[in-house]
Amino acid sequence: KAGVTQTPRYLIKTRGQQVTLSCSPISGHRSVSWYQQTPGQGLQFLFEYFSETQRNKGNFPGRFSGRQFSNSRSEMNVSTLELGDSALYLCASTPAGQGAAGELFFGEGSRLTVL
Amino acid sequence: AQSVAQPEDQVNVAEGNPLTVKCTYSVSGNPYLFWYVQYPNRGLQFLLKYITGDNLVKGSYGFEAEFNKSQTSFHLKKPSALVSDSALYFCAVRDIGGTGRRALTFGSGTRLQVQP
Repeated sequence: KAGVTQTPRYLIKTRGQQVTLSCSPISGHRSVSWYQQTPGQGLQFLFEYFSETQRNKGNFPGRFSGRQFSNSRSEMNVSTLELGDSALYLCASTPAGQGAAGELFFGEGSRLTVL
Repeated sequence: AQSVAQPEDQVNVAEGNPLTVKCTYSVSGNPYLFWYVQYPNRGLQFLLKYITGDNLVKGSYGFEAEFNKSQTSFHLKKPSALVSDSALYFCAVRDIGGTGRRALTFGSGTRLQVQP
């Protein structure tokens, strides 16, 4: 079974631009979560989607948004990029039916560098 | 609110020796607890979880963790460390009390260095 796939793996943007990151969960997984990982702040929760609905949201500004499609694939978008948005963005999916007890299966991440 | 503390930024251990990576948590209800490992330039890999039942949980690659409710701890252990265990380890918690679904909260991570 294929794992969580994130694209692109690496990207470089300049301040003020916007970026869209994509995540394809493991087949059969309907919950998708996004995390931002930086050396200073560690792993911070961005949002979680289930059946195309945002179920939970972390403490990030409105420049960060996401969505989930009917096939469970998810995208996140960051507009008006700032230098501090440079990070590894991790997507994770959870098997259906496990609820809060389900572990997250992570992708390799998308490393964003903002210049 | 839920939180996780990993008090050690780095743990050094010689190959063949036992290792412990510490984790304490704070939740208002009952916790679901998880350990993940991250190798350089990779995503996180699930190691093990505590949901309920036996306080000693066994996971992947010979790792185990002990849940201690009175000390609110969930330390990761391995009887004999390997050089290949060198990586970044994260403890995570989800509070299952109250209403609504809470996201998984991660600790700051502990870098494990196993010397040959």
